Amino acid sequence: KAGVTQTPRYLIKTRGQQVTLSCSPISGHRSVSWYQQTPGQGLQFLFEYFSETQRNKGNFPGRFSGRQFSNSRSEMNVSTLELGDSALYLCASSLYRGEDTGELFFGEGSRLTVL
Amino acid sequence: KNQVEQSPQSLIILEGKNCTLQCNYTVSPFSNLRWYKQDTGRGPVSLTIMTFSENTKSNGRYTATLDADTKQSSLHITASQLSDSASYICVVSAYNTDKLIFGTGTRLQVFP
Repeated sequence: KAGVTQTPRYLIKTRGQQVTLSCSPISGHRSVSWYQQTPGQGLQFLFEYFSETQRNKGNFPGRFSGRQFSNSRSEMNVSTLELGDSALYLCASSLYRGEDTGELFFGEGSRLTVL
Repeated sequence: KNQVEQSPQSLIILEGKNCTLQCNYTVSPFSNLRWYKQDTGRGPVSLTIMTFSENTKSNGRYTATLDADTKQSSLHITASQLSDSASYICVVSAYNTDKLIFGTGTRLQVFP
């Protein structure tokens, strides 16, 4: 069974640009959540999607957005990139809705560097 | 405020030695506590998930304990191996909130 797949694995952008990251969950998983990980802050919750609907959102500015498609694949977008957006972006999928109920399976992450 | 604190921040041990990582939380009402292992540049991998009624749970050389009264958990690694070098993250779930509270992790380095 294939794991969670994130693309691209690495990318470099400049300030002001936008970026779109993709996540394909484990087959059959309907919940996808996104996290930002930086050395000083640890993992910070961005948002969670279930059945194409955003169910939870973390404390991030509106520049961070996401969506989920009917096949459960998810994308997140960051517009007007800032230097502080440089981080590892992790996607996790679970079988059930809500992080509380299911074991999370993480992808390998997308390493974003903003210059 | 729901918080998860881990100690130590970093730890260096020699191969073959045992070590214990700590996790204290103030999350309420408590639902479950998870330990994840994260290799450098990779995604976290689940080691254990413990609910309120579980005191101890093992996964190979990893043993997690939970004291719900004192709101403390520990992860004990037996006979460490070089491959144990990673960050270990404690995550606590608050009941009925659909949210996970992450600790900042303990970075373990195992040297030969």
